[in-house]
Amino acid sequence: QKEVEQDPGPLSVPEGAIVSLNCTYSNSAFQYFMWYRQYSRKGPELLMYTYSSGNKEDGRFTAQVDKSSKYISLFIRDSQPSDSATYLCALNAGGTSYGKLTFGQGTILTVHP
Amino acid sequence: DSGVTQTPKHLITATGQRVTLRCSPRSGDLSVYWYQQSLDQGLQFLIQYYNGEERAKGNILERFSAQQFPDLHSELNLSSLELGDSALYFCASSVGITNTDTQYFGPGTRLTVL
Repeated sequence: QKEVEQDPGPLSVPEGAIVSLNCTYSNSAFQYFMWYRQYSRKGPELLMYTYSSGNKEDGRFTAQVDKSSKYISLFIRDSQPSDSATYLCALNAGGTSYGKLTFGQGTILTVHP
Repeated sequence: DSGVTQTPKHLITATGQRVTLRCSPRSGDLSVYWYQQSLDQGLQFLIQYYNGEERAKGNILERFSAQQFPDLHSELNLSSLELGDSALYFCASSVGITNTDTQYFGPGTRLTVL
């Protein structure tokens, strides 16, 4: 079993839809949670970073963490065709893990006009 | 553009060969990370260097080695290559050493082993 599970999709939605992307994890040592976006043929770029249970909002994006359930989510409101990309959750255990990130498999999202 | 540069962009080689991938971090960044991305394994952390010293290690194969030089650029050496080593190799950099430092990814090197 992988440490981080993420539904690879693909997910196809119409423009303007609310998108929900999710990851579950098994290792309770993970304390820091990130979402990366990766466009085709590009490197991943950081979208959101959280370190506590609860919600964090940034524009159209909301990251949600539930440590008790070991479940993290990313919501995209008013989705746009430019949001079409692969979304990866990434987790870090802190401490002597330094910058080591454990990624989910990634969810391929397509937003069609 | 993240400011992280990787060379070469593409590399095609044969099984059993050895290759070197190069990474230049963003100006001012002291940490360099290497990741491998393949269809079956996803994006996997290989190793982190901070100011020339190894700081964190993932499931990096013994056939793979890396180093960070005094000018902070880094090289990833892959030897005795196998078909399964075909993947995208990303370098990332960050200012500091901790998990709270944003990692900026380069465009990647696509390695094909024939």
